[in-house]
Amino acid sequence: GEDVEQSLFLSVREGDSSVINCTYTDSSSTYLYWYKQEPGAGLQLLTYIFSNMDMKQDQRLTVLLNKKDKHLSLRIADTQTGDSAIYFCAFRRTGGYNKLIFGAGTRLAVHP
Amino acid sequence: GAGVSQSPSNKVTEKGKDVELRCDPISGHTALYWYRQSLGQGLEFLIYFQGNSAPDKSGLPSDRFSAERTGGSVSTLTIQRTQQEDSAVYLCASSSDGMNTEAFFGQGTRLTVV
Repeated sequence: GEDVEQSLFLSVREGDSSVINCTYTDSSSTYLYWYKQEPGAGLQLLTYIFSNMDMKQDQRLTVLLNKKDKHLSLRIADTQTGDSAIYFCAFRRTGGYNKLIFGAGTRLAVHP
Repeated sequence: GAGVSQSPSNKVTEKGKDVELRCDPISGHTALYWYRQSLGQGLEFLIYFQGNSAPDKSGLPSDRFSAERTGGSVSTLTIQRTQQEDSAVYLCASSSDGMNTEAFFGQGTRLTVV
């Protein structure tokens, strides 16, 4: 949606790093998320970052947050074919509803 | 239940017919979302229920779409006079209240309008 922008497609070679980017508009966001959707499945939470953090690392995943530019990224190190999926960034709109706002999703294709 | 359950998993309907899609959220979850995911398109927000508050219907694409949530639990998404462009996977998600709560998604209902 217009509140969250993601590129729709990313292709990487197996073993390389993948970087999926997301920009958002709501400066009041407190929590920002990355969800993963594997083929034929629903979305599952991958990781999240609190807005007072710049970076969060979890094994092969690194989340970077630039609050000034309202830019969120997900880096996957040593990308594997099993990482092929659609990745959605999301933030929680505060005030009133606490509604989750999702980006359109980035399809990551990993090729040998 | 253990997770968010959606039914049916697949639905084929004729153009012009009405359809009802059902979502059983995780017990106790106050928030419930409906999204639409079309082939080659991204995730499109449809409607959001939070507790007893008035739902946020800002994502419903036309007045042919409506949704209700009875007793704060089960939700039904109704599409009247279906069109071919309604063909998509309809996803439901629920979460508990709070600032940092995970949204759990169902497997979706794949709707095909022929």
